[in-house]
Amino acid sequence: DGGITQSPKYLFRKEGQNVTLSCEQNLNHDAMYWYRQDPGQGLRLIYYSQIVNDFQKGDIAEGYSVSREKKESFPLTVTSAQKNPTAFYLCASSPGQGYHYGYTFGSGTRLTVV
Amino acid sequence: SQQGEEDPQALSIQEGENATMNCSYKTSINNLQWYRQNSGRGLVHLILIRSNEREKHSGRLRVTLDTSKKSSSLLITASRAADTASYFCATGGSGNTPLVFGKGTRLSVIA
Repeated sequence: DGGITQSPKYLFRKEGQNVTLSCEQNLNHDAMYWYRQDPGQGLRLIYYSQIVNDFQKGDIAEGYSVSREKKESFPLTVTSAQKNPTAFYLCASSPGQGYHYGYTFGSGTRLTVV
Repeated sequence: SQQGEEDPQALSIQEGENATMNCSYKTSINNLQWYRQNSGRGLVHLILIRSNEREKHSGRLRVTLDTSKKSSSLLITASRAADTASYFCATGGSGNTPLVFGKGTRLSVIA
């Protein structure tokens, strides 16, 4: 079955450590997105990519980095510069750019700073 | 960024009743989408309604869109305990910008 796989499901980060969240899709979608969700909050856009080897900053990109070397993969690195990284991270994809299509979401990664 | 805002923030109903959630937004949109999120899971796309459409149905879901009032509503008929989840509206405007999500409505359906 086609879908998006996020791993790991739970991740613990020590202070000053970089961690990478994996997102892989086999839907042949061009566009991929990373959102952050905090308790009681909506989703906030971190980064998005509409084509391989290209990506744009979202509303809260500071302290995060991404790459898009393959169509299927869009990993997110949470760097030590992100001062409050504890949150639920959601990866999504869509067949084309922007808002014209429904998004398919992964099941999320819950990141906790210890 | 433009953003949909759902109302109410939380809703509790008995099984079999209808549930209505509303979404208001600020600027012109091309389409509006509704998503469901079960606790601790990813979002699931429910329905997309375009700006030139007024109403759309999918199973027990009915979505309306009033562009003059910049609002949309999601109606779930004959609710079930399995409908317990958070529901989000998401909007897209111009260009190829990604969807912007509201904060959601938490629906509890009591058996």
